[in-house]
Amino acid sequence: GAGVSQSPSNKVTEKGKDVELRCDPISGHTALYWYRQRLGQGLEFLIYFQGNSAPDKSGLPSDRFSAERTGESVSTLTIQRTQQEDSAVYLCASSLGLAAGELFFGEGSRLTVL
Amino acid sequence: DQQVKQNSPSLSVQEGRISILNCDYTNSMFDYFLWYKKYPAEGPTFLISISSIKDKNEDGRFTVFLNKSAKHLSLHIVPSQPGDSAVYFCAASGNDYKLSFGAGTTVTVRA
Repeated sequence: GAGVSQSPSNKVTEKGKDVELRCDPISGHTALYWYRQRLGQGLEFLIYFQGNSAPDKSGLPSDRFSAERTGESVSTLTIQRTQQEDSAVYLCASSLGLAAGELFFGEGSRLTVL
Repeated sequence: DQQVKQNSPSLSVQEGRISILNCDYTNSMFDYFLWYKKYPAEGPTFLISISSIKDKNEDGRFTVFLNKSAKHLSLHIVPSQPGDSAVYFCAASGNDYKLSFGAGTTVTVRA
């Protein structure tokens, strides 16, 4: 497809388990972003990539969160030892470059930690 | 620390009337502002933007106004249509390439 694709769309897991969320950005988009939206709240910045490097990891909530990007394409967000407060919609977005501007978002991965 | 604030969680407006959504920000380094629209179970989509060198930008039924001295921006939708019913997010960025988002305002357009 032409848009940003995320998988899984829904994930229910037990507390303490690891989860991996995947994002396929729009082809040719060098910048990739991860955001999180908890229920009733705004979008919370997690991390961004320019190419395969992540200059700013300050938004990651804890060391249980990590992200990587390979081939200037697919990115994975990994949450280890999930906690109930990790329950949220995780949104991925991509853009042609880093210079602010319009981000193209995927539909999100809804994570529920029981 | 919420740098972008949308103090009205919801707005109800009659079809054909004007919808006015407000947004305040605290970071004086922000120089680019955007509005995104989100339908349920979909990702946000870009609606309109404005640079800090302007105070108004218009695109069809949508107009964004920026008041830098007050650190305030607003989105006007005229006339409002049923398809405009959605959550609207205000966003801002400076030179660090991160978009900071508000909590969103849910707009309901009544027929």
